[in-house]
Amino acid sequence: EVQLVESGGGLVQPGGSLRLSCAASGFTFSGYWIHWVRQAPGKGPLWVSRLNEDGSYTSHADSVKGRFTISRDNAKNTLYLQMNSLRAEDTAVYYCVRGTVGAPGLDYWGQGTLVTVSS
Amino acid sequence: QTVVTQEPSLTVSPGGTVTLTCASSTGAVTSDYYPNWFQQKPGQAPRALIYSTSNKHSWTPARFSGSLLGGKAALTLSRVQPEDEAEYYCLLDCGGGQLVFGGGTKLTVL
Repeated sequence: EVQLVESGGGLVQPGGSLRLSCAASGFTFSGYWIHWVRQAPGKGPLWVSRLNEDGSYTSHADSVKGRFTISRDNAKNTLYLQMNSLRAEDTAVYYCVRGTVGAPGLDYWGQGTLVTVSS
Repeated sequence: QTVVTQEPSLTVSPGGTVTLTCASSTGAVTSDYYPNWFQQKPGQAPRALIYSTSNKHSWTPARFSGSLLGGKAALTLSRVQPEDEAEYYCLLDCGGGQLVFGGGTKLTVL
């Protein structure tokens, strides 16, 4: 069974940093693109970042470019999101999502971890 | 930044058929945008339904289908069931490494 379990969320002050983790199991982690998607309370999802199978290619949404960094450790089957210079508008549930094989897309979603940016 | 637009809300009767659409501010949506569709119910993570315009995941019910229609991506629900009441989101690959979600369609089954 494919499982994606996010952790590392919590309350952080504006301007602060946080690192999210996503532990993957039930599939060959090193064979898939992985994405972060966030959803602010009462809003629709927003795609944040993606990373290819070996970590050599990344892309980020314009709203987080230069502040967030996506990375992975295939030996540990774990995805990371380093978030710096956090703003109130970054408050959201952050989901780890597996990429669809062979075409841009998303298939399995984690249950998410809540990040709250507030003083 | 590309804006992706969906109908804010639609209502359908049980057993009926409804089509949701997904438009891009930059022009016609083609297969090169690899449209994806997701269903989300309150308190749950989104669930993937369709990828690359019309491909279904193994868990996607047969009554859901994806297509291109009039320059937009489309999701058609046939033989609608009460449990299909949910928010539906599309996702487009807009190039330049950017993926963009639509604002969502709230589907009411009434």
